[in-house]
Amino acid sequence: GENVEQHPSTLSVQEGDSAVIKCTYSDSASNYFPWYKQELGKRPQLIIDIRSNVGEKKDQRIAVTLNKTAKHFSLHITETQPEDSAVYFCAASKRVKAAGNKLTFGGGTRVLVKP
Amino acid sequence: EAGVTQFPSHSVIEKGQTVTLRCDPISGHDNLYWYRRVMGKEIKFLLHFVKESKQDESGMPNNRFLAERTGGTYSTLKVQPAELEDSGVYFCASSIRGGANEKLFFGSGTQLSVL
Repeated sequence: GENVEQHPSTLSVQEGDSAVIKCTYSDSASNYFPWYKQELGKRPQLIIDIRSNVGEKKDQRIAVTLNKTAKHFSLHITETQPEDSAVYFCAASKRVKAAGNKLTFGGGTRVLVKP
Repeated sequence: EAGVTQFPSHSVIEKGQTVTLRCDPISGHDNLYWYRRVMGKEIKFLLHFVKESKQDESGMPNNRFLAERTGGTYSTLKVQPAELEDSGVYFCASSIRGGANEKLFFGSGTQLSVL
């Protein structure tokens, strides 16, 4: 089955700096890669996602890149702010008939933005 | 729009006891998923309902876990008898159509502690 590795497990950055989280996946059939942000005590929320027919996607200060050949994808947060402090999860899934959207998650990255 | 709601938010029980977790998906969402995060590791898939039917229960760890979704609305996940290794955060998620690459909406989770 699919295996998703996520690094680093913790990341501390100074406010205003950039943060990068990297994930690798094992199943070349995976074609959907969402990123979830979980603030302390709150629900995981989708912040950005990318499909395998796209190499990069941006939404304001966040961007995701995908390298299908190398089977890795990354989350980039620019101009970090204290409210970006949270645990970030990458995930992968593939199209399987009638199987819904079964996500395989990475282990999570705890990001701390220091003011 | 109300989000996915889970009850209780926290549960502390002793080994050998029974616990029932409840999830109310977003109204109109036929697809309901259970996931859990154990010991700060990755979030792992448990099972997927389409309406009242179990579509995929490949992630259920053993027969101490029983999930139901009578009537295709809310779902319950019962652990009987609970073991120490069942401690973790149990998440529920829902989606409208259940298609691959479809956005999942997560609840805030139930923190289960088995002592």
